[in-house]
Amino acid sequence: GAVVSQHPSRVICKSGTSVKIECRSLDFQATTMFWYRQFPKQSLMLMATSNEGSKATYEQGVEKDKFLINHASLTLSTLTVTSAHPEDSSFYICSAYSTSGVYEQYFGPGTRLTVT
Amino acid sequence: DAKTTQPTSMDCAEGRAANLPCNHSTISGNEYVYWYRQIHSQGPQYIIHGLKNNETNEMASLIITEDRKSSTLILPHATLRDTAVYYCIVRVAAAGNKLTFGGGTRVLVKP
Repeated sequence: GAVVSQHPSRVICKSGTSVKIECRSLDFQATTMFWYRQFPKQSLMLMATSNEGSKATYEQGVEKDKFLINHASLTLSTLTVTSAHPEDSSFYICSAYSTSGVYEQYFGPGTRLTVT
Repeated sequence: DAKTTQPTSMDCAEGRAANLPCNHSTISGNEYVYWYRQIHSQGPQYIIHGLKNNETNEMASLIITEDRKSSTLILPHATLRDTAVYYCIVRVAAAGNKLTFGGGTRVLVKP
């Protein structure tokens, strides 16, 4: 199956700083990627849809100025959490769909963000 | 996308088949059934999908009822590494379509 990577796998940052998370499709091109957030013992919540070469589409309730998404190439999307606060601590997961099948999505391993 | 209903949790014995049910009574004719699983602290893993025919791959089998209102994911010989949360999702297979995750079924494989 298709492979999606994320970097870093875990990050600790101080409150008020910004942190960038990278999502890469390693063996396929992805015009669309998705960013999810998951709190402990909860299901994944879609944050935004990242489109290559255009602006991301954010889900209701997600602050676009706080969670900056850039999809500059067909294999890379980045999520920047700006002015992070402890409540932003979460597990962030990206995904991309492969057009070789029936649009099944492949997920990255996730990034554990802890804001102190 | 159609809503799905899954049991909250289930246990199964190592080496035995695990049958995971999913109800999707409002599924539309062009919606596929997808199954993913999430092992603790990892990203979800694609398992299998189907439209109306039964499907099998190296991981699992998917049985879809004739009226398509429910389906069953079968793990033929469960191992301890199959302990995970399993998500059944229905959606139209189209470019850009997002996945909406429900609560899933927490499966615990016991030795």
